[in-house]
Amino acid sequence: ILNVEQSPQSLHVQEGDSTNFTCSFPSSNFYALHWYRWETAKSPEALFVMTLNGDEKKKGRISATLNTKEGYSYLYIKGSQPEDSATYLCASDNAGNNRKLIWGLGTSLAVNP
Amino acid sequence: DGGITQSPKYLFRKEGQNVTLSCEQNLNHDAMYWYRQDPGQGLRLIYYSQIVNDFQKGDIAEGYSVSREKKESFPLTVTSAQKNPTAFYLCASSTREGGSNQPQHFGDGTRLSIL
Repeated sequence: ILNVEQSPQSLHVQEGDSTNFTCSFPSSNFYALHWYRWETAKSPEALFVMTLNGDEKKKGRISATLNTKEGYSYLYIKGSQPEDSATYLCASDNAGNNRKLIWGLGTSLAVNP
Repeated sequence: DGGITQSPKYLFRKEGQNVTLSCEQNLNHDAMYWYRQDPGQGLRLIYYSQIVNDFQKGDIAEGYSVSREKKESFPLTVTSAQKNPTAFYLCASSTREGGSNQPQHFGDGTRLSIL
């Protein structure tokens, strides 16, 4: 059974803190790793899609790294703001063609002002 | 603005009834997907379609049916054969070009409850 594990399950930080969370995914037949942000009462929003080992992507204060050999990705948020409060989901494509992503349960981030 | 529209936002079903959830996109995406979310579980794929008039079962297709008569539309019918339909349903789409590199775009979801 292929699983994607995310840790921690939830996180509470103060405004201005930097934080990071982990996504572990199957390294066999790996095609791509997706990160999404899901704010309450909104739809999930794509952050990054990563395919190459060692790749690092950045979007504002959020960045992600990818290790396909050992099967993990880190998501970093620098200087957290209250608007960063959301659930962060990762999903692994181990089949190709984006058809059957394996989703993690997410990390729920709460940033206190 | 381009996007995905799911309707209704909340839906109630009586025992033994079929109900249809709507999903429309104006992103010109070829691929569309239906997911189900239950508490404590990750998103699970019900059905997906890579092109008009073609669709494939996902991991939990039993008790569901879909159609893809138009590129823009991918309705999901929850049939009476689905014994535990209470869940949150998400529709998504993506472009097929570029394969695995393409993110999925999501609607706001429909919450289905049994009366």
